[in-house]
Amino acid sequence: EVQLVESGGGLVQPGGSLRLSCAASGFTFSSYWMHWVRQTPGKGLVWVSHINSDGSSTRYADSVKGRFTISRDNAKNTLYLQMNSLRAEDMAVYYCARDQGSGWNSWFDSWGQGTLVTVSS
Amino acid sequence: QSVLTQPPSVSGAPGQRVTISCTGSSSNIGAGYDVHWYQQFPGTAPNLLIYGSSNRPSGVPDRFSGSKSGTSASLAITGLQAEDEADYYCQSHDSSLSGWVFGGGTKLTVL
Repeated sequence: EVQLVESGGGLVQPGGSLRLSCAASGFTFSSYWMHWVRQTPGKGLVWVSHINSDGSSTRYADSVKGRFTISRDNAKNTLYLQMNSLRAEDMAVYYCARDQGSGWNSWFDSWGQGTLVTVSS
Repeated sequence: QSVLTQPPSVSGAPGQRVTISCTGSSSNIGAGYDVHWYQQFPGTAPNLLIYGSSNRPSGVPDRFSGSKSGTSASLAITGLQAEDEADYYCQSHDSSLSGWVFGGGTKLTVL
């Protein structure tokens, strides 16, 4: 059974940093692209970042480019999101999701339970 | 606002058929990228409902179907049931943004 378990969320002050983790199990993690998707409470889903299977290629939404860094450790079956210079508008539930499909024409077939990031002074 | 446009809400009585639209542009749906749909209940993670515009993952009832034409896509739910009350999101890829995009979500209410 595919499992994705996020951790690392919490309360951080504006301008602060946080690193999220997503522990994967039940599938060959190193074979899959992975993503981070966020959802502000009561609002919609927003794609944040993507990383390819070996970590050599990454993509970011414009709203986080230059502040967030996605990475992965295939030996540990873990996905990361380093978030710096956090703003109030970054406050959201962050989900990791597994990519499925063909190249860019892909979808998210498995999701974690999410981890809440609160940005407040 | 979201790159893909969905109606904020739709409603229907049990047993009825409802559709949810998802309108994009020439850089996403119109560029040939497929549309995928997710169902989300309050307080839980989204769940894949339709992939590749019209395919259902195993376990998804055939009451749910998807279609795509031009720059738009639709999710249809027939034989509406109370348990279908949830938020629904469409998703695709956008070549101009070089990223994945979602619709703003549609809240389905079963009357």
